[in-house]
Amino acid sequence: NAGVMQNPRHLVRRRGQEARLRCSPMKGHSHVYWYRQLPEEGLKFMVYLQKENIIDESGMPKERFSAEFPKEGPSILRIQQVVRGDSAAYFCASSPRLRSSYEQYFGPGTRLTVT
Amino acid sequence: GQQLNQSPQSMFIQEGEDVSMNCTSSSIFNTWLWYKQDPGEGPVLLIALYKAGELTSNGRLTAQFGITRKDSFLNISASIPSDVGIYFCAGRDPYYTDKLIFGTGTRLQVFP
Repeated sequence: NAGVMQNPRHLVRRRGQEARLRCSPMKGHSHVYWYRQLPEEGLKFMVYLQKENIIDESGMPKERFSAEFPKEGPSILRIQQVVRGDSAAYFCASSPRLRSSYEQYFGPGTRLTVT
Repeated sequence: GQQLNQSPQSMFIQEGEDVSMNCTSSSIFNTWLWYKQDPGEGPVLLIALYKAGELTSNGRLTAQFGITRKDSFLNISASIPSDVGIYFCAGRDPYYTDKLIFGTGTRLQVFP
């Protein structure tokens, strides 16, 4: 009964490169959320997706960031032309979003370092 | 935007002591969740609360959903060394989507 899986766990990119972060939700979960965490801070919501749909991207920067959750395969958070300020831990959470349960279960995160 | 304030910011206690922490908001939430995060790991869900006034336990952990729906409390009884970590409260956005608003965290250190 695997939990939420994220890869890679650590990613180093030079300024201007692209970063692709992957998230496989728990089995049976069709709702995925991405959060960002800076050191010594709480998690900040970025985007909420269902299969093939973006439901809420109010927390995502307007430029350089995009997310998708295709019909088949993992959810992808993509950061183009990374800058030093993008260095953070990125967490994915999944939820079954049943009427009685709004619990979100988190993966281990991807730690992005931009040099 | 919505903000959640947690207190205390950090706690240093001795093994066996009880711990209390709380979370307050400027706006109401319909769901409160408490998570624990270890260094280098993702948050782990401890307790979920769905109703104002609700009191829920999970082993040595007890959490309450405040009556005003603007606060929540977490208690840990008889702390042990593995309780060390950062505890986050999170409120579910009641309007339209289910994004979580996270608190600022309470860092717990337990000394033997």
